[in-house]
Amino acid sequence: AQSVSQHNHHVILSEAASLELGCNYSYGGTVNLFWYVQYPGQHLQLLLKYFSGDPLVKGIKGFEAEFIKSKFSFNLRKPSVQWSDTAEYFCAVNTNAGKSTFGDGTTLTVKP
Amino acid sequence: GAGVSQTPSNKVTEKGKYVELRCDPISGHTALYWYRQSLGQGPEFLIYFQGTGAADDSGLPNDRFFAVRPEGSVSTLKIQRTERGDSAVYLCASSLTHQNYGYTFGSGTRLTVV
Repeated sequence: AQSVSQHNHHVILSEAASLELGCNYSYGGTVNLFWYVQYPGQHLQLLLKYFSGDPLVKGIKGFEAEFIKSKFSFNLRKPSVQWSDTAEYFCAVNTNAGKSTFGDGTTLTVKP
Repeated sequence: GAGVSQTPSNKVTEKGKYVELRCDPISGHTALYWYRQSLGQGPEFLIYFQGTGAADDSGLPNDRFFAVRPEGSVSTLKIQRTERGDSAVYLCASSLTHQNYGYTFGSGTRLTVV
C-alpha cells in the first residue's frame, strides 16, 4: 500500500520568506499527486495537481510543486509567503482511479 | 449545488448509539468519497462510490460502518453502536468522474462520541 510522508509538522516563517514543504511517497508505479490546503475555519481545497508532462506544476496563489520521480518527492514551494498563506497543507497520492492517500499535513504559520 | 454539503456540521452522541451523516455532492459529480480525519492526522479513506455502487469500501474499519448512495447523488454514512474511538471529523468529497482529478471537499461533520 502506498504511504505519504510530510516531514515538517509545523513551519513558522516571516512574511516574504521563501517556502518549501516536503512530501515523499512510497509507490513504484504511476502516480497522480496533489497538494490540498485548509485555511483556518475553511474546508480542504485543491491547491495543485500533477498527472503527467512537465514535472513543475503551478497552482493557485503563486504556489508551485516539482515532481522528482527518482526521489519519490513532490515538494511544494512559494518564493514569497504572505500572512494569508497561514494554513494546513496536505500532500496526497493517487495510484488508481478513486481513493487518495494523504500525508498527516504541515501547519504553516506566517508571521506578519 | 455550488459545493459539497454535509449535515450535520456537528454531532454529539452517546456511546452505543446509531448515527447517520449526510453528504450532498456537487450536482453531476458521479464519484463520491468518504474520509475520516482525526486530530493531527491527514484524511483517511473510508469508502468511494461511483454512481450508486460502492467501488471501493476497503477503508471501512469494521462492520459497524456502512454507507449508501441509493440514487447516485446524496450519500449517507451510517455508524452503529458508536464508540469513543469513532470521534473524528468525517469528510465527504466528490469529483466529476471516477478518474481522480482532484476532489472538492465538504466542510465535514465533527462527530463526538461521549
